[in-house]
Amino acid sequence: KNQVEQSPQSLIILEGKNCTLQCNYTVSPFSNLRWYKQDTGRGPVSLTIMTFSENTKSNGRYTATLDADTKQSSLHITASQLSDSASYICVVSAMDSNYQLIWGAGTKLIIKP
Amino acid sequence: KAGVTQTPRYLIKTRGQQVTLSCSPISGHRSVSWYQQTPGQGLQFLFEYFSETQRNKGNFPGRFSGRQFSNSRSEMNVSTLELGDSALYLCASSLGWGGMAYEQYFGPGTRLTVT
Repeated sequence: KNQVEQSPQSLIILEGKNCTLQCNYTVSPFSNLRWYKQDTGRGPVSLTIMTFSENTKSNGRYTATLDADTKQSSLHITASQLSDSASYICVVSAMDSNYQLIWGAGTKLIIKP
Repeated sequence: KAGVTQTPRYLIKTRGQQVTLSCSPISGHRSVSWYQQTPGQGLQFLFEYFSETQRNKGNFPGRFSGRQFSNSRSEMNVSTLELGDSALYLCASSLGWGGMAYEQYFGPGTRLTVT
């Protein structure tokens, strides 16, 4: 069964610190993996999209890594800011006939001053 | 370039009624996907339309339906509303369909409350 699991469920860190969020998936065959940021009550915003051949992709202070062999991805946030408080969602696309998107439950990140 | 727009932004309905939500994608985008998000829950995929054809469907009852017009605008309809349908309904548009490596752009959502 195609699944995406994220950890931790929630995380609290101090402003200025770094953190890493994890995503494990069992989606097969794999097409691509995305990370989204969702502020409370708003639509998600795309941070990165990674295909099979990409190991690392950065977007400002956000760096995503992908290990297609172990089916794991991580999102690293550097020098966190209060505005980074949000839910971070990992989404994996299956290369089936419909290219289904499998959504993780998200990690809720809280940055404290 | 204008973003994804959804109307209305807020809606209050009574159990048993029906509701229609609208989504206008970014100009040039042919794919529109709909999602339901209940408090504290992740996004649940409803369906996706590409060039007026439903390409993907999630595990929702038949009370949830949608359509897409020739200008790519999409509507979602929920009939016989239940209290559990209270949620934020999000629509997303992209150039290509499904999970192909195209960026999805989300609208602000429609907050539906069923009383």
